[in-house]
Amino acid sequence: QQQVKQSPQSLIVQKGGISIINCAYENTAFDYFPWYQQFPGKGPALLIAIRPDVSEKKEGRFTISFNKSAKQFSLHIMDSQPGDSATYFCAAQNSGGSNYKLTFGKGTLLTVNP
Amino acid sequence: DTGVSQNPRHKITKRGQNVTFRCDPISEHNRLYWYRQTLGQGPEFLTYFQNEAQLEKSRLLSDRFSAERPKGSFSTLEIQRTEQGDSAMYLCASSSAGELFFGEGSRLTVL
Repeated sequence: QQQVKQSPQSLIVQKGGISIINCAYENTAFDYFPWYQQFPGKGPALLIAIRPDVSEKKEGRFTISFNKSAKQFSLHIMDSQPGDSATYFCAAQNSGGSNYKLTFGKGTLLTVNP
Repeated sequence: DTGVSQNPRHKITKRGQNVTFRCDPISEHNRLYWYRQTLGQGPEFLTYFQNEAQLEKSRLLSDRFSAERPKGSFSTLEIQRTEQGDSAMYLCASSSAGELFFGEGSRLTVL
């Protein structure tokens, strides 16, 4: 059972455009939703995260939108740049649990064309 | 560099051989995780340590896999009698609470 579903699998945008990646979760105990960015040959790195007490969080060009009732959240990358080309993973965590483990989506390969 | 360190970065082995990976977490982090990532997939949870205690193991962790974290510091992940299906990136992460910090991974290729 896939607990975090991510779409699209791949995404191509032009420089300056908006990249949007969507995720949906099933476990209502999840209460922390990070996005990780991974470049080839590197480990995932935390990009931005949100908790369900807010509907939106913005850090620079990156924004998370969160819809608790729909159990969905999305990453928006404004003014996308070629350097943003990477694989993006959404994840979810039950911080009230004992282990803080993350459950990841399958990832979205973003390509930003110059 | 005070990040999570993993060694070796790459390992090529023949089917049936044993391999061991090492993870050195961020020094003040008491939580340590192992994940496996295959091509085109997100990281999948394997096991979790709090200090030296292994508190959770995924069903993905067959009896050929064993992980240790002696003295609550570095951790090792050993795979015995490797199979081609074990080929993957093995990621280690550490945490004090909340945010997980990942290492760059150890890529295993089983021929």
